[in-house]
Amino acid sequence: GAVVSQHPSRVICKSGTSVKIECRSLDFQATTMFWYRQFPKQSLMLMATSNEGSKATYEQGVEKDKFLINHASLTLSTLTVTSAHPEDSSFYICSANSGGSGGEQYFGPGTRLTVT
Amino acid sequence: GESVGLHLPTLSVQEGDNSIINCAYSNSASDYFIWYKQESGKGPQFIIDIRSNMDKRQGQRVTVLLNKTVKHLSLQIAATQPGDSAVYFCAEGSGNTGKLIFGQGTTLQVKP
Repeated sequence: GAVVSQHPSRVICKSGTSVKIECRSLDFQATTMFWYRQFPKQSLMLMATSNEGSKATYEQGVEKDKFLINHASLTLSTLTVTSAHPEDSSFYICSANSGGSGGEQYFGPGTRLTVT
Repeated sequence: GESVGLHLPTLSVQEGDNSIINCAYSNSASDYFIWYKQESGKGPQFIIDIRSNMDKRQGQRVTVLLNKTVKHLSLQIAATQPGDSAVYFCAEGSGNTGKLIFGQGTTLQVKP
């Protein structure tokens, strides 16, 4: 099946700094990618929809100026957590849609962010 | 708001038994439903999906049942194995946006 990668897999940063997470579709082109956040023992919460060549669409309650999303190519979307705080510590997961009908969405392995 | 929820947070079964994980959804307009398996520290892994015009779909050792009348979805795992231990999420989607709404999640524990 299709493969989606994320980099880094783990990152620790100090409060107030910014962190960039990459999401790549390795063997297919993804016009749409999605970013999720998952807190321990909770479900995945959709943060935003990343569209290649256009602005991301953010879910209600997600600060677009804090979580910057760039989808510069059909295989890469980046999420930048700006001015990170300890409450931003979470598991960030991306997924990529191959463009087919429902169900053809592939998830990355996730990035564990810890803000100290 | 609309949500997808699960009845039980934890399910413990004996190895070899069948497992049934349930999910209730509220959006009657959802076109498709997906079950994912998530192991600790990893991203969700696709198990099986079903479209809203179907009521049953079978895969290898797994069966998904959809009851639109009561907005209920279930995942049945036959002959549960220790490797099936994980958290299972149902998710629903509609249209062609690809957006998914995830349910709460059920932890499946398989006892040897």
